[in-house]
Amino acid sequence: EAQLVESGGALVQPGGSLRLSCAASGFTFSSYSMNWVRQAPGKGLEWISYISSGTMYYADSVRGRFTISRDNAKNSVYLQMNSLRDEDTAVYYCAREGSGSYFPVWGQGTTVTVSS
Amino acid sequence: DIVMTQSPDSLAVSLGERATINCKSSQSVLYNSNNKNYLAWYQHKPGQPPKLLIYWASIRGSGVPDRFSGSGSGTDFTLTISSLQAEDVAVYYCQQYYSTLYTFGQGTKVEIK
Repeated sequence: EAQLVESGGALVQPGGSLRLSCAASGFTFSSYSMNWVRQAPGKGLEWISYISSGTMYYADSVRGRFTISRDNAKNSVYLQMNSLRDEDTAVYYCAREGSGSYFPVWGQGTTVTVSS
Repeated sequence: DIVMTQSPDSLAVSLGERATINCKSSQSVLYNSNNKNYLAWYQHKPGQPPKLLIYWASIRGSGVPDRFSGSGSGTDFTLTISSLQAEDVAVYYCQQYYSTLYTFGQGTKVEIK
């Protein structure tokens, strides 16, 4: 069974940095594109980043501040978050794509709180 | 970016009755070369990750009950719950994956009347 487990969420001050990790198991990780999706308190789902074997995309809200990467040897995807703002407070999910770019596999999420 | 707009924002339906959620995209998500609509639906309950219900606009995800169905093409799509059950209380989102900058609708909250 495909599984994703996020980690790294924490309380961080505005302007700070954080690195989220997502460990995958139960499928051939290198064969799939991966994404990060977040949900701020009381808000809806927001896609923020995508990575395939060599291509990355970002939502306007995080471009230039967040960097997605992956390590196929470790079956993991990462999200380096810099210059964090209050509005980055959210539950962050990693999600695996299916045969198309929909998301049949999700992690349980990790919580990032940006506050002084 | 493709903007996804859902309606209504919330709805209350009696148990066993039909629930209908609409999703409109700011541009077509139908890819003419394969005649596929790049549109998915998700169910999201508090404290849980989102669950894929429908992809390619009308194909049910693994293990999804057949009371959930998706329809539509181009820019207008519908998620229908044919007979609402108590466990269907959730927020529902549409998502386009036609553009590489994926976008979700704002969500529709479904409650029991």
